[in-house]
Amino acid sequence: DGGITQSPKYLFRKEGQNVTLSCEQNLNHDAMYWYRQDPGQGLRLIYYSQIVNDFQKGDIAEGYSVSREKKESFPLTVTSAQKNPTAFYLCAVKSGTVYQYFGPGTRLTVL
Amino acid sequence: SQQGEEDPQALSIQEGENATMNCSYKTSINNLQWYRQNSGRGLVHLILIRSNEREKHSGRLRVTLDTSKKSSSLLITASRAADTASYFCATEGGSEKLVFGKGTKLTVNP
Repeated sequence: DGGITQSPKYLFRKEGQNVTLSCEQNLNHDAMYWYRQDPGQGLRLIYYSQIVNDFQKGDIAEGYSVSREKKESFPLTVTSAQKNPTAFYLCAVKSGTVYQYFGPGTRLTVL
Repeated sequence: SQQGEEDPQALSIQEGENATMNCSYKTSINNLQWYRQNSGRGLVHLILIRSNEREKHSGRLRVTLDTSKKSSSLLITASRAADTASYFCATEGGSEKLVFGKGTKLTVNP
């Protein structure tokens, strides 16, 4: 998983609660991505950021928010507006090359 | 939107056999990539093939790309139990975003 850390590894959320997932990288890469993976499914893009203080919505941004105040960090907040948040969340970074490096993931469960 | 579709969804083989997975996509691409995911872990990049390439090798991996058919295949030769994982294709069409398929779950039996 290289120089990408995601925390926590497991997260439990109560109904109506906002939670924030952490993604930190020490690879000095500009572009960072958040994906959601449901069981037996591929990855779907939530948000991505190509530079500090800028980010774009992916395919399933509703109910999520992000910030990119530092190059190293791209936290994802799962808000109460996300009605079905139980999933595996993956953060990735990309250098000048085209492939992405992935973190180990955070498994979020709604209680 | 999920562009890549892998086939088969699941594949079970014996150690030493070859495993072939296919990926189809819908729109034009700059490159196609294959990733591996062990259970409960992040994805690991395996190989990238650009739209102007037809075949690429990396160790026991062989990838082909047919842009006229919008399809790619990943061949793993002489499979090992450690190759057991899910394999995903992902396409990149110039938007700095990857679009992933749903994956093929490969089981290699010792």
